[in-house]
Amino acid sequence: DAKTTQPPSMDCAEGRAANLPCNHSTISGNEYVYWYRQIHSQGPQYIIHGLKNNETNEMASLIITEDRKSSTLILPHATLRDTAVYYCLWGAGNNRKLIWGLGTSLAVNP
Amino acid sequence: NAGVTQTPKFRVLKTGQSMTLLCAQDMNHEYMYWYRQDPGMGLRLIHYSVGEGTTAKGEVPDGYNVSRLKKQNFLLGLESAAPSQTSVYFCASRYSASYEQYFGPGTRLTVT
Repeated sequence: DAKTTQPPSMDCAEGRAANLPCNHSTISGNEYVYWYRQIHSQGPQYIIHGLKNNETNEMASLIITEDRKSSTLILPHATLRDTAVYYCLWGAGNNRKLIWGLGTSLAVNP
Repeated sequence: NAGVTQTPKFRVLKTGQSMTLLCAQDMNHEYMYWYRQDPGMGLRLIHYSVGEGTTAKGEVPDGYNVSRLKKQNFLLGLESAAPSQTSVYFCASRYSASYEQYFGPGTRLTVT
């Protein structure tokens, strides 16, 4: 199974960087790491994905270790609106076998 | 663009009743997915489709059927609802060449 390990909850002060870790020790060489978040009861929202190299977009940065067994999602300046459950997933590019865990519940505090 | 829409938003069924959940997307996406989300569990894939007229089973397909007669619509059917199917159902879609899934707002289904 494409399982990931994430801490169940984290706190972050508003304006500070939020660093969310994820372990995916059984990932294969051609499988991507994806991050989504779910705000309250809304549908999940895509954040970023990567294969080997670090990636950055307007929402976040993704740091993948050289052995690809773990990654970190970085929200550089967390705001209250970033309070959400963050899911780390991995799987082949066709998304068909993505397994969703319980994610990390991030609370951004004023 | 409306993105991904789901109908209905809420529904209460009695055990044994049937219903169809409709997912519609206006982004011309090839791939569409149905998930369910239960408390204490992550999203689980029920069925998916890689194009009009094609469907495939996901992680938890039992008790559900799907159809993709039109590219923009993906229907999820419950022929005989059971209390174990009480859940929040999410639909998603994406381009075949993209890794980003777009999710709908969800349908909250309660089976009594």
